[in-house]
Amino acid sequence: AAGVIQSPRHLIKEKRETATLKCYPIPRHDTVYWYQQGPGQDPQFLISFYEKMQSDKGSIPDRFSAQQFSDYHSELNMSSLELGDSALYFCASSLGTVPLRDEQFFGPGTRLTVL
Amino acid sequence: TQLLEQSPQFLSIQEGENLTVYCNSSSVFSSLQWYRQEPGEGPVLLVTVVTGGEVKKLKRLTFQFGDARKDSSLHITAAQPGDTGLYLCAGAGDTGKLIFGQGTTLQVKP
Repeated sequence: AAGVIQSPRHLIKEKRETATLKCYPIPRHDTVYWYQQGPGQDPQFLISFYEKMQSDKGSIPDRFSAQQFSDYHSELNMSSLELGDSALYFCASSLGTVPLRDEQFFGPGTRLTVL
Repeated sequence: TQLLEQSPQFLSIQEGENLTVYCNSSSVFSSLQWYRQEPGEGPVLLVTVVTGGEVKKLKRLTFQFGDARKDSSLHITAAQPGDTGLYLCAGAGDTGKLIFGQGTTLQVKP
């Protein structure tokens, strides 16, 4: 079965650079969530989209922005990168209707390293 | 703020033993998910429980959602080395975002 696709899988950037992470949800899934997972920590919610509209926002820095496109893929844009942004970034997708909305399927993640 | 307390955080047992992992909160969740995560990979969904008191079984794994939908447990019967990994519970809030517990690192020794 098709799964969530994330690209790139690994990304190395210098401080103050920008990064763009991409997420392709499972076909027919209309809801996308972004999570950040630091070393030894549990995933923390960043932002979510339903039908191309932002549906919720968590602890996402103002330096980060995201959007969902007409084909439901999503991109997380990160600017002025800081050392503390180094983490695993996961995208998850689901169908938007309750309770299926809660059943989120995660991608393999993008490991971002900021030097 | 919704929080999930997961316990124990670390568990090391011998093959064949039983174990239970607990996930507790003072908040009500619309549903609760259990995931398993390997190092450097994305969490893999094991089960979703929605109804208070619901019990779901997945081979040797039994998941239960509390009657008040504030807590859940994962019970593994006759653990095997292949069960070794990180287990995460996650509660869904009103908008669907997941609140994760701290995780339980399980090691099953042959």
